[in-house]
Amino acid sequence: GAVVSQHPSWVICKSGTSVKIECRSLDFQATTMFWYRQFPKQSLMLMATSNEGSKATYEQGVEKDKFLINHASLTLSTLTVTSAHPEDSSFYICSARDLGPLTPFTGYTFGSGTRLTVV
Amino acid sequence: QQPVQSPQAVILREGEDAVINCSSSKALYSVHWYRQKHGEAPVFLMILLKGGEQKGHEKISASFNEKKQQSSLYLTASQLSYSGTYFCGTGSGGSNYKLTFGKGTLLTVNP
Repeated sequence: GAVVSQHPSWVICKSGTSVKIECRSLDFQATTMFWYRQFPKQSLMLMATSNEGSKATYEQGVEKDKFLINHASLTLSTLTVTSAHPEDSSFYICSARDLGPLTPFTGYTFGSGTRLTVV
Repeated sequence: QQPVQSPQAVILREGEDAVINCSSSKALYSVHWYRQKHGEAPVFLMILLKGGEQKGHEKISASFNEKKQQSSLYLTASQLSYSGTYFCGTGSGGSNYKLTFGKGTLLTVNP
């Protein structure tokens, strides 16, 4: 089945620094990837839609200058949290979909997530 | 707009059944169901498309009533491994539509 690899699994950074999170589709090409943020015991909140070769589409209320998304190839999307602050501490997860012949019946595969702690 | 899930939490004994509901104020094209265990990423369970279908595998099945804009997930003869938070995600048409997830239902199955 479709596999999405996300790195790192966890990261601790100092306030004011930047952190890059990578999301790779391992056995399929993903023209579109989605980035979510999840706070403890809460739902998955979509942050942005990452499109290969074009600008990402951000959800309302998400600062595009703070959460930089780059979708440089058909298998890699990166999320960079710039000038991180403690309130950015959260669980960040990416997802993608393998658009094969069974596409309408295919769900989204999620990466393993990145737990970001800003101190 | 975020779909509404109910109940928020349910506790079962192994072997009991449960139903989790998901409703939307918007017309639905598709409904996805995912299960997430603590500290892990969500895992895809099934997808239901516009058309009032019902589907399932093993002891987990789901229905989709597009007229009522509702979907229900049925867990039969629950196992300990069913414990986790269940999310429904609603989407529009197309190949790479974004999903809007409900707040989740925490299911705990005890021995």
